[in-house]
Amino acid sequence: AQTVTQSQPEMSVQEAETVTLSCTYDTSESDYYLFWYKQPPSRQMILVIRQEAYKQQNATENRFSVNFQKAAKSFSLKISDSQLGDAAMYFCAYRSADDYKLSFGAGTTVTVRA
Amino acid sequence: NAGVTQTPKFQVLKTGQSMTLQCAQDMNHEYMSWYRQDPGMGLRLIHYSVGAGITDQGEVPNGYNVSRSTTEDFPLRLLSAAPSQTSVYFCASRRGREGNEQFFGPGTRLTVL
Repeated sequence: AQTVTQSQPEMSVQEAETVTLSCTYDTSESDYYLFWYKQPPSRQMILVIRQEAYKQQNATENRFSVNFQKAAKSFSLKISDSQLGDAAMYFCAYRSADDYKLSFGAGTTVTVRA
Repeated sequence: NAGVTQTPKFQVLKTGQSMTLQCAQDMNHEYMSWYRQDPGMGLRLIHYSVGAGITDQGEVPNGYNVSRSTTEDFPLRLLSAAPSQTSVYFCASRRGREGNEQFFGPGTRLTVL
């Protein structure tokens, strides 16, 4: 089974500043997908950004961007210009292109200070 | 579209009781799955289904049963509830094996006393 590791249980950021969440994964596959999900206090899981392993270009969605390092099996999420509404738990997730199953990391709780 | 719906939102059981968590999706997604979320452990896959009549075990299947008689519905059954099954349960669905978004239900918070 693939392992997804998020080494930062908690991160704190000042409003308008930038925070980077780390994620590493273990796989022998060459074709796979990586995701970041946000879970606010409402408990709803919200897709933030996705990355296809075959694409060298890092994905970007507005203030959210990733740094995908395939050789290092690293997939970090950068939140720029942090807003109070960004406060949530963030999960990194992995799925092989040949599989249906999505594997999650343990999550990082992001606190935004006003 | 309602997306992925789950009922109930909250449930309290006594040890040994059985119950079914309901999950339905109206997006004609072939893939459906159940996760449990526990503090410090992320979401762990319980069971999944790749189509009507097809189910398989995930990472933590013990104590749970599933069936998929229709494309829309994927209920999760707790046969004899145990305190270790106290958790938040999420149902999810997705179209196919491509890098499509996986949609989640709102979750069910289950407490087993």
